[in-house]
Amino acid sequence: DIQMTQSPSSLSASVGDRVTITCRASQSISSYLNWYQQKPGKAPNLLIYAASNLLSGVPSRFSGSGSGTDFTLTISSLQPEDFATYYCQQSYSSPWTFGQGTKVEIK
Amino acid sequence: EVQLVESGGGLVKPGGSLRLSCAASGFTFSSYSMNWVRQAPGKGLEWVSYISSSSSYIFYADSVKGRFTISRDNAKNSLYLQMNSLRAEDTAVYYCARDLLGHSGGFDYWGQGTLVTVSS
Repeated sequence: DIQMTQSPSSLSASVGDRVTITCRASQSISSYLNWYQQKPGKAPNLLIYAASNLLSGVPSRFSGSGSGTDFTLTISSLQPEDFATYYCQQSYSSPWTFGQGTKVEIK
Repeated sequence: EVQLVESGGGLVKPGGSLRLSCAASGFTFSSYSMNWVRQAPGKGLEWVSYISSSSSYIFYADSVKGRFTISRDNAKNSLYLQMNSLRAEDTAVYYCARDLLGHSGGFDYWGQGTLVTVSS
């Protein structure tokens, strides 16, 4: 199985900050990488698919990059509604696997 | 509006069985592959199972293989997960999730989840 490792596991940031979350795959997954946002008690929401494609309706302050084994999710200017947990997920091969999550908290 | 509504969760004893359902609406269900994803309390996300649009392809996580069975009824716009030989570690919120068209393995719509608790 492909292991996905996110860093950091948590971070504290202020509104307006630029935030970067990294995700590393245990083997090359080309660009088969998705990012989700999850708020407490809610289902996850897909933000970015295929490493860098923003899902329709997702604010443009979210962006993704990377290929192979190393990927990043960037929030250019953190907004109050962005405080949540973020997960990366590979869709290169079954079983699809998720990173452990990165909790973004208010500083 | 796309909607996925899970049902069938509850409290079950170890070794017991449960059948989850997911009712889909607002899209052409028969055109989409579907998945089950679970989340243990306070933990991360774990993909459980996948079924293609016509049920031709089915995959399972190793943790549930041989115990869980995914199925669908396109005439009823419904997805199912039959869970047998349940264990304490199967305790989780179970979500049904739609596969992103053209990007299998990406999940663009999720239900609200149904809680399964395995305990004596």
